[in-house]
Amino acid sequence: DAGVIQSPRHEVTEMGQEVTLRCKPISGHNSLFWYRQTMMRGLELLIYFNNNVPIDDSGMPEDRFSAKMPNASFSTLKIQPSEPRDSAVYFCASSSLTDKGYTFGSGTRLTVV
Amino acid sequence: LAKTTQPISMDSYEGQEVNITCSHNNIATNDYITWYQQFPSQGPRFIIQGYKTKVTNEVASLFIPADRKSSTLSLPRVSLSDTAVYYCLVGDQGTGGFKTIFGAGTRLFVKA
Repeated sequence: DAGVIQSPRHEVTEMGQEVTLRCKPISGHNSLFWYRQTMMRGLELLIYFNNNVPIDDSGMPEDRFSAKMPNASFSTLKIQPSEPRDSAVYFCASSSLTDKGYTFGSGTRLTVV
Repeated sequence: LAKTTQPISMDSYEGQEVNITCSHNNIATNDYITWYQQFPSQGPRFIIQGYKTKVTNEVASLFIPADRKSSTLSLPRVSLSDTAVYYCLVGDQGTGGFKTIFGAGTRLFVKA
């Protein structure tokens, strides 16, 4: 299994631009999570899905952030417009009903200048 | 969600056993205790999970007392490559995805 696949690995964009981060969970996993990590705030849960349905998005910082999961094998996290304070590493993770814990992707390092 | 408290950092030497304790006084009946390891520039990696008593796998052991208000991750004979941040989490695994909140973690530094 290739694990959780995130793309791109690095993204540098200018303030005001739209940014889309992508995630492919492990096949058969029914839960997907988006986290953000910064030095100041650590790992923050942004949103999570069960069976492609958003369950809790209380961690999404602002309306500029949106996440979708159109099918079981793909999810996106979009930031529009992006701001310098959005610079962070964004992780996607997935899990199944029988797994212990989550499997994380390698993350996307976002830099907004 | 039960809040967890663990030391900010710990130092050790190669070959020693390292024990990291986590407090979770408000743990709920349905909550499991899970530990993750994170290396720089990587996502967290699942290490071990338990509900009560002791759990052991090829990487670590997890000790949970009867009241479950704390847990101890034990890493036998650490090496330099065990230098990482270790997170303790509690959450209800339930019947689907569950909301898992990461704390600040414990930064373990293993010296030669």
